[in-house]
Amino acid sequence: GQQLNQSPQSMFIQEGEDVSMNCTSSSIFNTWLWYKQDPGEGPVLLIALYKAGELTSNGRLTAQFGITRKDSFLNISASIPSDVGIYFCAGQLPGGSQGNLIFGKGTKLSVKP
Amino acid sequence: DGGITQSPKYLFRKEGQNVTLSCEQNLNHDAMYWYRQDPGQGLRLIYYSQIVNDFQKGDIAEGYSVSREKKESFPLTVTSAQKNPTAFYLCASSFSGRAREQYFGPGTRLTVT
Repeated sequence: GQQLNQSPQSMFIQEGEDVSMNCTSSSIFNTWLWYKQDPGEGPVLLIALYKAGELTSNGRLTAQFGITRKDSFLNISASIPSDVGIYFCAGQLPGGSQGNLIFGKGTKLSVKP
Repeated sequence: DGGITQSPKYLFRKEGQNVTLSCEQNLNHDAMYWYRQDPGQGLRLIYYSQIVNDFQKGDIAEGYSVSREKKESFPLTVTSAQKNPTAFYLCASSFSGRAREQYFGPGTRLTVT
């Protein structure tokens, strides 16, 4: 089936640092979504992107819909401890059925020891 | 408060028993979804429903069944035919027109021994 490659798989952050992660695919998507999941909880929608080239912010978070429609990026500025968790990208294929959201495997953000 | 509720949070069953996971939403969403999440993996779609009394299989429907008798409710039954049922189960919902923006419940962790 279709796959989204999300990277990095994990990263360590120090408070105040900027963080970047991305999602790529060999297929074109018409929607990109970014979610954050805390341990033992359901994912929370952070940002939704619908147009190629679109840049959208939500507080310290900024996400972009890649021009090629095959990738998306999420940046977190000035990270704080509560940013730790797992960030998932999800995309919908053009013409896909309503349930056809494909998820990446996640980027796990942890605090630097 | 509007939202999606899943109960119970933790569920334990013996192998060979069917078990039903509850999902209720008061967001007036038309569509509802069930996902399975395994450690280190993305979310995989089990079943989804766009309207009452109608539902479609997702990528991993074998061993699962659902019903959609009310707009607010979409229970998932994990049957004894599911070979590896231990997992974290997530329910989501969305409006039909913005189906791509799915909102998740808190999840149910099912352990089968």
